[in-house]
Amino acid sequence: SQQGEEDPQALSIQEGENATMNCSYKTSINNLQWYRQNSGRGLVHLILIRSNEREKHSGRLRVTLDTSKKSSSLLITASRAADTASYFCATDPRSKDSNYQLIWGAGTKLIIKP
Amino acid sequence: NAGVTQTPKFQVLKTGQSMTLQCAQDMNHNSMYWYRQDPGMGLRLIYYSASEGTTDKGEVPNGYNVSRLNKREFSLRLESAAPSQTSVYFCASSEGGQRRGYTFGSGTRLTVV
Repeated sequence: SQQGEEDPQALSIQEGENATMNCSYKTSINNLQWYRQNSGRGLVHLILIRSNEREKHSGRLRVTLDTSKKSSSLLITASRAADTASYFCATDPRSKDSNYQLIWGAGTKLIIKP
Repeated sequence: NAGVTQTPKFQVLKTGQSMTLQCAQDMNHNSMYWYRQDPGMGLRLIYYSASEGTTDKGEVPNGYNVSRLNKREFSLRLESAAPSQTSVYFCASSEGGQRRGYTFGSGTRLTVV
């Protein structure tokens, strides 16, 4: 079952612009994670934000978490061609039945135009 | 730094054939996972191993078996391949289950004809 839903499904912007993608989820969580997947490659972990955190930064990435709205956003500032990839959110549900199972969204495909 | 290594990278099987996908990690992680990724969908967990000596079913285990050979290696076996198992398969590992980020392999693209 899919808990995380990314929005938009696809996003195309000019190099240098900021890119924002969103993730909504349904149940209470312990943490939310963002991953990047370049075409034909495996996923790469970008950032993890815990349920008691509201914002986290890593280089050009900024992640926010609003547990009251059950949503998160990933902001990539000053985008580069190398940021072209699919971005996935994954949630660690607080359910006792979720042992070791992250719940994944279907991803946002980001294209950076030169 | 090898991380998570998967073999093979590509495979074509005929319906009914069997094969084993291999996965090894060199980060001394306790937990390992097998996922499949289909177009337009997120990752779906097939099986996982919370620690050496244990394995458990994930969301879509039917048609698959796994072996946690040792702490480093976690293999996925298709006993009788079906076209519905055409997918990209990813192995991942983590130190603290889903409380930490996962490290993924580069994937195996499997086609069953």
